[in-house]
Amino acid sequence: AQSVTQLGSHVSVSEGALVLLRCNYSSSVPPYLFWYVQYPNQGLQLLLKYTSAATLVKGINGFEAEFKKSETSFHLTKPSAHMSDAAEYFCAVSGFGGAQKLVFGQGTRLTINP
Amino acid sequence: NAGVTQTPKFRVLKTGQSMTLLCAQDMNHEYMYWYRQDPGMGLRLIHYSVGEGTTAKGEVPDGYNVSRLKKQNFLLGLESAAPSQTSVYFCASSYLQGVGQPQHFGDGTRLSIL
Repeated sequence: AQSVTQLGSHVSVSEGALVLLRCNYSSSVPPYLFWYVQYPNQGLQLLLKYTSAATLVKGINGFEAEFKKSETSFHLTKPSAHMSDAAEYFCAVSGFGGAQKLVFGQGTRLTINP
Repeated sequence: NAGVTQTPKFRVLKTGQSMTLLCAQDMNHEYMYWYRQDPGMGLRLIHYSVGEGTTAKGEVPDGYNVSRLKKQNFLLGLESAAPSQTSVYFCASSYLQGVGQPQHFGDGTRLSIL
């Protein structure tokens, strides 16, 4: 069965600092991996996705993530945090059981300090 | 450019009451999903549909029913609401073709059961 673990329910960084949000997955089949962002009182928006092409995936708003099969990881990074990046971030995996179903991690709330 | 629209946005119910949440998408997607979001638990799949007239159970289906009479609409019903069903409910939709297709989310329905 697929599962996703996000290390750290809450991450706080200073404006301009590196953002690193950790995601590890478990999958018995080649996974498709996603990062979504949720701003307050809104739905989830797709940041980026990995679908077995390039292992380094670039997304919107300057975010990128690297798929590392040996580490079963798909960590999200951004070189310089902006106040507008404050939100909750979800890692998700699909590729099993058809219907493009997703299994989500628990989420990481990112706070940006001025 | 509506995407996925959920109604209502907020609702308060008393224990034992029934209600229906409506999800509508205008992207001609085949797949539709209902999730619930609870603090520290990410999003969990309640039910999903792979096409008009079909539905299937997800991870947490108990206490909910769904119907997909039209391709663009997916209804989530609570027959006898319980306080444990207090949550934020999200609807999503996705394309059939291809692999690793992302899901597109509505803005959610906040439901409180007293």
